Amino acid sequence: GAVVSQHPSWVICKSGTSVKIECRSLDFQATTMFWYRQFPKQSLMLMATSNEGSKATYEQGVEKDKFLINHASLTLSTLTVTSAHPEDSSFYICSARRFGAGTGPYNEQFFGPGTRLTVL
Amino acid sequence: SQQGEEDPQALSIQEGENATMNCSYKTSINNLQWYRQNSGRGLVHLILIRSNEREKHSGRLRVTLDTSKKSSSLLITASRAADTASYFCATYGNNRLAFGKGNQVVVIP
Repeated sequence: GAVVSQHPSWVICKSGTSVKIECRSLDFQATTMFWYRQFPKQSLMLMATSNEGSKATYEQGVEKDKFLINHASLTLSTLTVTSAHPEDSSFYICSARRFGAGTGPYNEQFFGPGTRLTVL
Repeated sequence: SQQGEEDPQALSIQEGENATMNCSYKTSINNLQWYRQNSGRGLVHLILIRSNEREKHSGRLRVTLDTSKKSSSLLITASRAADTASYFCATYGNNRLAFGKGNQVVVIP
């Protein structure tokens, strides 16, 4: 149980186009999903926290108009990279927190396999 | 902001040896977690240690936590080639996980 999928697993696009990445919790409901980006040989950096039915909360320095996040249901969140540029090329990873898990000290997030974005 | 920060390491060890990596963090935490990431893949949760725990074991993994020093260590005993991966610690606080820089471990068969 607790499987999170991402689609696509990799995408190559031209500069200036927009790309949508989906994150789905397959066997549980997720009130909160998180989006991270990871550059080669570096750590994960939290981009935004997405709560079902409300606006995403973006981390400092992350452009909300550049990275559009929609969390329309308890099992799906999408990240759209708008007007992508080569510097947006990265590995994007989502994670989901199970509905009802609360925010207590035993919190656990389940991670998707990641999406490799390459902007030419 | 990143809370967990490991001493950046690239470990290369022989199969059967132990691998130890460290993590330090800056603020108070509810728990600290370790994850593994194989190249180009997502994260796999390894172990969680609560702030009131000092040591925890899970199979070949041993995690310690010293809240007074704001540090943690992960020991992998009797390493295997399949343990080759990057290992990240992550601290949970302020309703989110913050990841450290990661340690690249290469286990040579």
